[in-house]
Amino acid sequence: DIVMTQSPDSLAVSLGERATINCKSSQSVLSSSNNNNFLAWFQQKSGQPPKLLIYWASTRESGVPDRFSGSGSGTDFTLTISSLQAEDVAVYYCQQYYNTPYTFGQGTKLEIK
Amino acid sequence: QVQLQESGPGLVKPSETLSLTCTVSGGSIGTYYWSWIRQPPGKGLEWIGYIYYSGSTSYNPSLKSRVTISVDTSKNQFSLKLSSVTAADTAVYYCTKRGYFDVWGRGTLVTVSS
Repeated sequence: DIVMTQSPDSLAVSLGERATINCKSSQSVLSSSNNNNFLAWFQQKSGQPPKLLIYWASTRESGVPDRFSGSGSGTDFTLTISSLQAEDVAVYYCQQYYNTPYTFGQGTKLEIK
Repeated sequence: QVQLQESGPGLVKPSETLSLTCTVSGGSIGTYYWSWIRQPPGKGLEWIGYIYYSGSTSYNPSLKSRVTISVDTSKNQFSLKLSSVTAADTAVYYCTKRGYFDVWGRGTLVTVSS
């Protein structure tokens, strides 16, 4: 199985400031056949299902605000929220869909400082 | 816009079989991979398995001996069966679409208890 490890486990950021969440996979999720990274990011608010934010490591899902961006390749990835808003308080997960079993990171809890 | 809705019993007795159905609306099930994912209360996400509309499946090895996922294209539904459940199977169960899970159902809490 590909193990996904996120850092930090929790994060407190002031409104309007940048938030950065890291995700590391135990093996590369970059496909040599199409040069895509099989990595997605999700936001989960309390009592709701996860919501897809980013796929292919850096492609923003339709309707997701442009303050959310994804970067990285191979085994190291980052989700950045450029200017934190109150509604961004949530748990964030990375996920690999390169190999089954598909696996998630343990989650990063983002709060307002 | 595709929407997903899980349905099934919210309470299952230990050693029995958990059965859930996901109904796909707003689009055809005859495309994409369709997955089940679960989340124990207060914990993270675990992929259970997927099915393609053709019927081909892939399961998480951690659950493979107890899981069956099936599809009914005539009803635009796919289903999950998890046998020999224990309290550790208590979770919110979600159905989702595609490998990067772009659409999710609202989830259904299944509690395993006598």
